[in-house]
Amino acid sequence: DTAVSQTPKYLVTQMGNDKSIKCEQNLGHDTMYWYKQDSKKFLKIMFSYNNKELIINETVPNRFSPKSPDKAHLNLHINSLELGDSAVYFCASSHRETGELFFGEGSRLTVL
Amino acid sequence: AQSVTQLGSHVSVSEGALVLLRCNYSSSVPPYLFWYVQYPNQGLQLLLKYTSAATLVKGINGFEAEFKKSETSFHLTKPSAHMSDAAEYFCAVSGGYGGSQGNLIFGKGTKLSVKP
Repeated sequence: DTAVSQTPKYLVTQMGNDKSIKCEQNLGHDTMYWYKQDSKKFLKIMFSYNNKELIINETVPNRFSPKSPDKAHLNLHINSLELGDSAVYFCASSHRETGELFFGEGSRLTVL
Repeated sequence: AQSVTQLGSHVSVSEGALVLLRCNYSSSVPPYLFWYVQYPNQGLQLLLKYTSAATLVKGINGFEAEFKKSETSFHLTKPSAHMSDAAEYFCAVSGGYGGSQGNLIFGKGTKLSVKP
């Protein structure tokens, strides 16, 4: 059973398009996250949701919009894709108190 | 504000040799500290974590780390490297944002290579 699963694993798209990445966790955690890993492997938090409520929104362009329909799901929609959006996007979840993050396998986005 | 510095973007050791990956942190509050490993084309997996209990923390795959407050360090070690240890290793500190411990601030990573 996959604990944190994200789809799709790979996206290749043209500049200007809109794309979505979906994430689901079956760990019963109340907090979910999106992290971005750039080509140099640097990981940076983008968003965090606790029980469907946005609690962290780092300096991310408005073109990125997270949505959490319930506490087991956190999706990421990206409008008007740019070359610089090419990266691996990781979904993660955690229990609010312990802080240990459980990561999905990542979604590699390539913008041409 | 919290931050993490990993010294050495690339460390190479021989199989059977000691592994030492360095991590220094900065935190205005007592930190929670973590080491994660990332194998190629995979997500991150927790190796071990320090949450203000014992200062010597043992993790999976024979790794351990020691929290040294005086040195603001949390270096990762393994007595004997194995080929399967080749991966990217990330040190992280909990940002504690909004009371949540899960907002981790990651170092830039250290790639470990293991030579036969």
